Amino acid sequence: AQSVTQPDIHITVSEGASLELRCNYSYGATPYLFWYVQSPGQGLQLLLKYFSGDTLVQGIKGFEAEFKRSQSSFNLRKPSVHWSDAAEYFCAVSSGTYKYIFGTGTRLKVLA
Amino acid sequence: DAMVIQNPRYQVTQFGKPVTLSCSQTLNHNVMYWYQQKSSQAPKLLFHYYDKDFNNEADTPDNFQSRRPNTSFCFLDIRSPGLGDAAMYLCATSRDLQQASNQPQHFGDGTRLSIL
Repeated sequence: AQSVTQPDIHITVSEGASLELRCNYSYGATPYLFWYVQSPGQGLQLLLKYFSGDTLVQGIKGFEAEFKRSQSSFNLRKPSVHWSDAAEYFCAVSSGTYKYIFGTGTRLKVLA
Repeated sequence: DAMVIQNPRYQVTQFGKPVTLSCSQTLNHNVMYWYQQKSSQAPKLLFHYYDKDFNNEADTPDNFQSRRPNTSFCFLDIRSPGLGDAAMYLCATSRDLQQASNQPQHFGDGTRLSIL
């Protein structure tokens, strides 16, 4: 069965520091992978997606993620965090159908 | 801009009193989804429409129903809301059921439902 694990429930970083949010998935074939961000009281906004091809994916707002098949990971990174990045981040996996399996989310706090 | 719009953003209802949440889209997508998201949890898929075909997730309670009168609109009806139904309800769309078309799901801003 497919599953997604986001090991870090909360992460706190200082503004300007680098960020890495972890995501590990369990799936037998090549997955479709997504990162979404949810600001307080808002819906989910797609940051980036991996379907195939280049394993380093660039997204919006300066985020990138790297698909590592050998580690079953799809970690999200940003070189310099801004205060407006404070939000909850969800990793999701799909087998290529409409069914998304979401992780439980990582809440990011940014210190001024 | 093409988008997914949910109304209202906040809804308060009484225990047991039917409530309807609405979603509209200008993306002209074939598929519309309803998710329930409780505090600090991942979104949970309740059901989806592919065009007019309705598909219920196996563990979605009968208390939740949906209507899709046309391509643009989809409604979530909660027949007798209980305290456990207080949550954020997210509507999403996608062009197709298969992601191979490189079309991810697009989400609205949600409706936060409170039960008194």
